[in-house]
Amino acid sequence: KQEVTQIPAALSVPEGENLVLNCSFTDSAIYNLQWFRQDPGKGLTSLLLIQSSQREQTSGRLNASLDKSSGRSTLYIAASQPGDSATYLCAADQGGSEKLVFGKGTKLTVNP
Amino acid sequence: DTAVSQTPKYLVTQMGNDKSIKCEQNLGHDTMYWYKQDSKKFLKIMFSYNNKELIINETVPNRFSPKSPDKAHLNLHINSLELGDSAVYFCASSHRGRTEAFFGQGTRLTVV
Repeated sequence: KQEVTQIPAALSVPEGENLVLNCSFTDSAIYNLQWFRQDPGKGLTSLLLIQSSQREQTSGRLNASLDKSSGRSTLYIAASQPGDSATYLCAADQGGSEKLVFGKGTKLTVNP
Repeated sequence: DTAVSQTPKYLVTQMGNDKSIKCEQNLGHDTMYWYKQDSKKFLKIMFSYNNKELIINETVPNRFSPKSPDKAHLNLHINSLELGDSAVYFCASSHRGRTEAFFGQGTRLTVV
């Protein structure tokens, strides 16, 4: 059974700082790992998808890495901005199935 | 163009009522999902349909019945609503879990 853990649960940083969000998963037989962003009262916005054969993906100031063997993924945000404030969710599939298992998220606050 | 759209966005209803939430995707995906986000913001899968066929059915009360008239639509019908059903329900779609999953904006259900 896949379990996904995200650390820290909350993070507050000053604007301009580079930061790393962590995600760990128990079942390394994944097909995909996906990072999402959720703003208060809103839906989930997909940020990055990393397939199991990939080591990292980049989109703008975001870089996500995947280490299947250790069951870890990180989301790196460069030069953080107040608009990056949101909850970031990591999700991994369970044993290559269609089912995404989510972590509880990291609530990020970027202070101006 | 909205990729995954749900209606209604908000739903307030009394205990014991029956209600439905509709979901449509225009991405051409073959798999659609219902997820539930509880009061602690934890997201968990409820159902998954692939080409109108139920493939994932988590331990959800049988008061919840999904229906997929075609692969672009997945509706959720809930009978005899209970206070504990209050949550945000998200619809999502992907290609059999092998591609990026896209989520709708959510339906906030409040049972009073």
